[in-house]
Amino acid sequence: SYELTQPPSVSVSPGQTARITCSGDELPKKYAYWYQQKSGQAPVLVIFEDTKRPSGIPERFSGSSSETMATLTITGAQVEDEADYFCYSTDSSSDPYWVFGGGTRLTVL
Amino acid sequence: QITLKESGPTLVKPTQTLTLTCSFSGFSLTNSGVGVGWIRQSPGKALECLGIIYWHDEKRYSPSLESRLTITRDTSKNQVVLTMTNMDPVDSGTYYCAHMRALVRGLIITSAYMDVWGTGTSVTVSS
Repeated sequence: SYELTQPPSVSVSPGQTARITCSGDELPKKYAYWYQQKSGQAPVLVIFEDTKRPSGIPERFSGSSSETMATLTITGAQVEDEADYFCYSTDSSSDPYWVFGGGTRLTVL
Repeated sequence: QITLKESGPTLVKPTQTLTLTCSFSGFSLTNSGVGVGWIRQSPGKALECLGIIYWHDEKRYSPSLESRLTITRDTSKNQVVLTMTNMDPVDSGTYYCAHMRALVRGLIITSAYMDVWGTGTSVTVSS
């Protein structure tokens, strides 16, 4: 079955750039999406279709994708960015149809 | 503004059937390209999409759970209902519904993603 692999944790100091990766064999052919989940809250979409940012998401959040890896970059990470981040991809022809990565805990301190 | 809210029992016994309702506002489930999905999150934080109901009433289910799941809608009430049979303690977790955007190529839904999530409802399966 299709899998997306993320590092369990990433740690940066405030103001530094945080990069969270997501690897998957189908990513060259399928979009990646990124969700932020703060403690006790529902996930929030921060990047869609590899690189697009929904309205209301700060510009410091950006996405990229190359070959089998998608990357979420937070340029100038802030303390309030501390959260779990999940990548997601979807393919109607694969089984299962929808796949989440295992999540990366971002610590900013 | 799109909002969704899940409701249902917080505790169910093993082998019982779980029924959750997603009440939403700010969109119509009959608009092309729109869906409502159900996603659950285990206590260990893993996310799993259970199924989606689309604007034209097509339903897709996770293959591993398809035999236990039913998703229906009531467009007049702006509600979507998830039914999961034969509940087990491993089904405990937080259940979310979400507004979905489908990517369509011709007549085929090629993919879908969640752009707005409900607040979630916690379900514990225990005797």
